[in-house]
Amino acid sequence: DQQVKQNSPSLSVQEGRISILNCDYTNSMFDYFLWYKKYPAEGPTFLISISSIKDKNEDGRFTVFLNKSAKHLSLHIVPSQPGDSAVYFCAASASGMGNNDMRFGAGTRLTVKP
Amino acid sequence: SQTIHQWPATLVQPVGSPLSLECTVEGTSNPNLYWYRQAAGRGLQLLFYSVGIGQISSEVPQNLSASRPQDRQFILSSKKLLLSDSGFYLCAWSTFPGQAFFGQGTRLTVV
Repeated sequence: DQQVKQNSPSLSVQEGRISILNCDYTNSMFDYFLWYKKYPAEGPTFLISISSIKDKNEDGRFTVFLNKSAKHLSLHIVPSQPGDSAVYFCAASASGMGNNDMRFGAGTRLTVKP
Repeated sequence: SQTIHQWPATLVQPVGSPLSLECTVEGTSNPNLYWYRQAAGRGLQLLFYSVGIGQISSEVPQNLSASRPQDRQFILSSKKLLLSDSGFYLCAWSTFPGQAFFGQGTRLTVV
């Protein structure tokens, strides 16, 4: 049962343009969402997060938007840089039920072309 | 500061052989600990998580097992590896709710 879905396995954008990565979830108990960036043969590194009490969180070039009614979140990278090329994972967790697991999407491979 | 150590970085094992991957965390107490697997071309699959010593929750039925003998030590094991066990294994810790911090991963190839 895949509770977190990233339906686009890959995305290619031109340097300087906006990258938009999307993520959908099915479990309405999720209340904390995160984005991770992963390079080959390395562990994922935390990028940005958002609590369900917010609908937007911004950190430099990275902004995460949360639409709770649609159970959808997105990561915007503006402007995109070649160094942003990596696999991006969306993750979600649910604090209200005392669950301690963190669920990940399948990932989206972003390629930023110079 | 907190650090997470995972070893070995790469491992090639024959089918039917045992497995033991170890993960230790420094600089934090009573962390939540996780084992994930990334199969080729796929996302991160949660295998096990632990909220305390001896407390293991399994997400996927398989021939793998996990143990937490100490607060900051998490071990992934198998008695007999299968070809399908090949993948990239990641250990992680977190303070709940919050971000998870990952180790560098172990590339396991079962031949």
